[in-house]
Order: sequence, then C-alpha cells, then structure tokens
Amino acid sequence: TQLLEQSPQFLSIQEGENLTVYCNSSSVFSSLQWYRQEPGEGPVLLVTVVTGGEVKKLKRLTFQFGDARKDSSLHITAAQPGDTGLYLCAGVNNNDMRFGAGTRLTVKP
Amino acid sequence: DAGITQSPRHKVTETGTPVTLRCHQTENHRYMYWYRQDPGHGLRLIHYSYGVKDTDKGEVSDGYSVSRSKTEDFLLTLESATSSQTSVYFCAISPHSFSTGYLRGSGNTIYFGEGSWLTVV
Repeated sequence: TQLLEQSPQFLSIQEGENLTVYCNSSSVFSSLQWYRQEPGEGPVLLVTVVTGGEVKKLKRLTFQFGDARKDSSLHITAAQPGDTGLYLCAGVNNNDMRFGAGTRLTVKP
Repeated sequence: DAGITQSPRHKVTETGTPVTLRCHQTENHRYMYWYRQDPGHGLRLIHYSYGVKDTDKGEVSDGYSVSRSKTEDFLLTLESATSSQTSVYFCAISPHSFSTGYLRGSGNTIYFGEGSWLTVV
C-alpha cells in the first residue's frame, strides 16, 4: 500500500471546468510538495507547503495543507488543456520523501 | 531548466546483463538521487548520495548499486538485470537535504532529469 494515497487516479474534464485532487496519508509530514509531470519528462516542482492549514496559490492552482499535516489538496480553477499531466504529491519527514502514485489529469479543449 | 543529463535515454537489455545509467549535473549540487517510476507506485527512491563517495540506500535498493566519484556524476548499476527492473529511471539533484530545507522554512527544491527508459527482456 502507498504511504500517500492520491485520488482520483484518473480525471478527464472539459476546458473551463474546476477540479480538486487529493493526497491523503495516515502519517504526519513536516512538509508536502506537489509536482506536475508531462509525458516523457521528469516531474517539476509546483509548490511546497510547510505549515498545517497553509494555503498557497499559483495562478489558477490552489494548494492546501491539512491542519494535521497528513493530507493536502490541489484545486484548479477553469482548467486549460495545458494543465494536462500527472500530478504527484510527495510527503517529507526528516530526510525521507515519499511520493504518491499520482493523478493523471486530461483537460479536453 | 536544471542542468541534469541522463544517459542513455532509452535502452533494451537482456536478463542477466549488467547495465549502468549515468547522471551528470552542472549545478554543483551536493545531493543526488536515483528514483524509479512504475505505474501504481509513483516514484520510489533507489539510492542517494550526499557527497563524493557518500551514498546510502533508499526504499528499493536491492539489485542496484551506485557510485559517485565526482560531484557532477552519479552512476546507477543494475548488477544483473531482471525483468522486474524494467522501468523509467529518474535522476534528481538538490542543494540541501530534506531536513535542512524544512528548517529553512522553504522546503527542499529537487530537480529531476528527463528519465531513462530501461526494458529488460
């Protein structure tokens, strides 16, 4: 079983729709990161959240770290085809970082 | 883009043969990592290095060895390739450890290479 569970695994939506993807764990993390990965490339860091309850915004993307630092969500407003990709969360504790399996998002024009 | 080059980018090899993947960085970062990515498992750490000749095991290190003789190069060797090692391998680099990044309050920025696709037949 994964230390970090991401849901949904797959999501296909139309351009302009809003969506939320989730990253859940029973473990507490000192920080949590979100990455986006496009086909044939390595993951690229989007954001790091460090404080419980923290909310960070990156243009149309809103990231939230749970109060207990066990979970996180990524909300995308008015999705665009360029948002298509694999979204990975990664939880960090001490010198250990573990990834979830990812949510594969497809945004259709 | 972070200066990370992985080679080869694609390789097909036979079961039982040794394989070496190379990661080369131009950023002078202290920390280097090798991950594998498989469907349903996400990225899993194989080995990492915290300096020249300083390496440690990750989550899935069995069947793999690493070497770092220079700051810029981190080699991953599959001693005797098996079909279960068919995967995409990613090298990553970072200037800080995860714990240092946390203490700085900014987390740790990790940069990934473009991946090496390995098929063991």
